Amino acid sequence: SYELTQPLSVSVSPGQTARITCSGDALPKQYAYWYQQRPGQAPVLVIYKDSERPSGIPERFSGSSSGTTVTLTISGVQAVDEADYYCQSTDSSGTSGVFGGGTKLIVL
Amino acid sequence: QVQLVQSGAEVKKPGASVKVSCKASGYTFTSYGVSWVRQAPGQGLEWMGWISPYNGNTNYAQKFQGRVTMTTDTSTSTAYMELRSLRSDDTALYYCARDGVVPARMFFGMDVWGQGTTVTVSS
Repeated sequence: SYELTQPLSVSVSPGQTARITCSGDALPKQYAYWYQQRPGQAPVLVIYKDSERPSGIPERFSGSSSGTTVTLTISGVQAVDEADYYCQSTDSSGTSGVFGGGTKLIVL
Repeated sequence: QVQLVQSGAEVKKPGASVKVSCKASGYTFTSYGVSWVRQAPGQGLEWMGWISPYNGNTNYAQKFQGRVTMTTDTSTSTAYMELRSLRSDDTALYYCARDGVVPARMFFGMDVWGQGTTVTVSS
């Protein structure tokens, strides 16, 4: 079955830039979405269609795509950004969804 | 406001079935798809499937094919997810989420989530 691969954790100091990658063979063909999940809360959509930001999401969140890898970038990281981040996409047929394993963002 | 409200926690024995509901409000129910996602304790998110309330079309993850059924009741703006032959590893928090504009199948991510329903499978 199709898989998306994320690093287990990323650590950054406040004010620095965090980059979280997600790799998958179908990503050149299918859009990626990013979700933030804080402990005990439901996920929140932070990026859709690789690089679009929903209303209400701070400008410090951005997304990009290059080949089989998509990247979530958080500029000027704040303590409140410490959370788990999941990428999500679909297989090459576009009918079956999949999540990456999740990346824990640690703000030092 | 736009929201999805899910049914309460369930405790089931192995081999039983569970049916979780997800009631939508604040938007036109038949204009958006619904995905179901689960999260086992301490684990990541797992996509289970998607349903279009517009026409009942479904896509299920291969892992759950034959064991899951997703339905909707447009008269009450409610989506349902039934999982059968429960096992201990089905113990998880189950979420519904609004996902995509239908029938055009235009996707903008899962932009509204329910609060989650805990399903515990234990003998």
